[in-house]
Amino acid sequence: DTGVSQNPRHKITKRGQNVTFRCDPISEHNRLYWYRQTLGQGPEFLTYFQNEAQLEKSRLLSDRFSAERPKGSFSTLEIQRTEQGDSAMYLCASSLGAGEWTDTQYFGPGTRLTVL
Amino acid sequence: GEDVEQSLFLSVREGDSSVINCTYTDSSSTYLYWYKQEPGAGLQLLTYIFSNMDMKQDQRLTVLLNKKDKHLSLRIADTQTGDSAIYFCAESKAGGFKTIFGAGTRLFVKA
Repeated sequence: DTGVSQNPRHKITKRGQNVTFRCDPISEHNRLYWYRQTLGQGPEFLTYFQNEAQLEKSRLLSDRFSAERPKGSFSTLEIQRTEQGDSAMYLCASSLGAGEWTDTQYFGPGTRLTVL
Repeated sequence: GEDVEQSLFLSVREGDSSVINCTYTDSSSTYLYWYKQEPGAGLQLLTYIFSNMDMKQDQRLTVLLNKKDKHLSLRIADTQTGDSAIYFCAESKAGGFKTIFGAGTRLFVKA
């Protein structure tokens, strides 16, 4: 399968714990995005990377959230001191990023986080 | 500002056509998308249209864009029970990094 993959698919944690999610994009894609989706809503943009550079962060991304893409391939999203309001589906997407014709984003299956 | 709005629910009978509507506010949007999400799954890109087009057809799917009214629609011909899902309308700008999604339209297909 050459699509976007995410691990784990589900994560249950207690409030105050740290969690880390991983995203592996489509191999030739330069851009990688993180979104958060809560029940009954569409995905909300969190941040994106052009290769290894994090170029934009949403105001939704508090100081407890950090994302990395150290070698321009896979990315991790860490949430420190989780809160119940962090419970959501975290979606990763990737795109070719080669120009205005081909920036369509392809999504992974998501990681569902439940904070107890 | 950036906003994408969709009706929340649509119910159709199997074999009928479904039309899902969407309005957006950003006139500089260049790409408009329809994504499908099945329960517990990620988003599947169904189709997209450039803002310089007014129609795109892909098998059972027809996308219509009225740029003047900032209105986008997705028509699914011969709707099947397997089409039951949430359909998201989304928009982005050329070379842009951020895609703005609507809240999704839940399509129910009755057998």
